[in-house]
Amino acid sequence: SAVISQKPSRDICQRGTSLTIQCQVDSQVTMMFWYRQQPGQSLTLIATANQGSEATYESGFVIDKFPISRPNLTFSTLTVSNMSPEDSSIYLCSVPSRPGQFFGPGTRLTVL
Amino acid sequence: GQNIDQPTEMTATEGAIVQINCTYQTSGFNGLFWYQQHAGEAPTFLSYNVLDGLEEKGRFSSFLSRSKGYSYLLLKELQMKDSASYLCSRGGGNKLTFGTGTQLKVEL
Repeated sequence: SAVISQKPSRDICQRGTSLTIQCQVDSQVTMMFWYRQQPGQSLTLIATANQGSEATYESGFVIDKFPISRPNLTFSTLTVSNMSPEDSSIYLCSVPSRPGQFFGPGTRLTVL
Repeated sequence: GQNIDQPTEMTATEGAIVQINCTYQTSGFNGLFWYQQHAGEAPTFLSYNVLDGLEEKGRFSSFLSRSKGYSYLLLKELQMKDSASYLCSRGGGNKLTFGTGTQLKVEL
């Protein structure tokens, strides 16, 4: 399995600010995925980050709120913009694995 | 649709057997995954079924019926460390769609 790190591991932020979460993988991958896990809920796919092209967003998620960068095959960032308390969640990145996907440790975000 | 249904909570006794059921919508199906997630940790892969039948891996087994849109995860010889959330996930293309998860509590 790949080794995935995320920074920060957790943060507490004020309403109206933005936070950028980093995801680093130890091998080159064509696709990286960003998920949100709200308290007590399961995982919901936000978007697929493709190197060299814009991210593909799922229904209910928009680029203005969750801009994503994918500068190379081992790194991606997800920004949570203009945060509100409803954005308090765990944000996870994942990469394809055989089979399925392998998940990073997650970033626990609390918005006050 | 991509609805995936599984029970919210289950409780079982150490040493016992528990079966966690999952139903899903069959259109565009590309495999059924089970993940385990301990509190505060990332999900970890448990099993994968793409064909009908039972896949056994140690104490854990997973079953799939594609025609019925039905899967279950069977955990044998339960241990306290098996207390976790178990996520049923349906593959479609490169994506995974997750159910709400079943919180399993193993008691003495």
